[in-house]
Amino acid sequence: SQQGEEDPQALSIQEGENATMNCSYKTSINNLQWYRQNSGRGLVHLILIRSNEREKHSGRLRVTLDTSKKSSSLLITASRAADTASYFCATDAFLYSGGGADGLTFGKGTHLIIQP
Amino acid sequence: GAVVSQHPSWVICKSGTSVKIECRSLDFQATTMFWYRQFPKQSLMLMATSNEGSKATYEQGVEKDKFLINHASLTLSTLTVTSAHPEDSSFYICSAREGLAGGWDTGELFFGEGSRLTVL
Repeated sequence: SQQGEEDPQALSIQEGENATMNCSYKTSINNLQWYRQNSGRGLVHLILIRSNEREKHSGRLRVTLDTSKKSSSLLITASRAADTASYFCATDAFLYSGGGADGLTFGKGTHLIIQP
Repeated sequence: GAVVSQHPSWVICKSGTSVKIECRSLDFQATTMFWYRQFPKQSLMLMATSNEGSKATYEQGVEKDKFLINHASLTLSTLTVTSAHPEDSSFYICSAREGLAGGWDTGELFFGEGSRLTVL
């Protein structure tokens, strides 16, 4: 099955700086979602961008999607220490999966560390 | 937003025993639930799709007899790790779709907090 690949694998920046994470995927999708996971915890849904959208904002988050390049980026502006977590992109290819209700396919994640 | 509850949050068991993990959608009906497995510092890997009232669909490489899935109602799916061994130790996460939204959307997925299984 397809899988998103995030880069970088790990990112450490100073508080207040912007953090950018990228995600690439392999096949056609319906939407792409970004999730956050604190160590040992479940996933928190951050933002969903549909395949016919190019950019989406939510608070300090900005997501872009380039379906021609099969890539997405997540920008966190004015980072805070509390943003320290792992961030995953996940693709949803429901309409391309032959009708099966497939789950999301997750990338390997970017571990973000915000230095206070 | 919708809430998905997993229980237990963590469990420690002896090798050879079976462990059941529950996944409940608290304020919506979920015809489809998904079970993921996550090893330390790695991504989530889809294990199986749980369909209410029918057999689960397992991903390639996942043993059906090892990981028993039951989706007896629209709000509950269970994952039973049978005859658990240390290599089964992992973080298991379930998710549920709120419902088909139609068009571009398939209904948002909501995730449980996960269940950490440690097999001694």
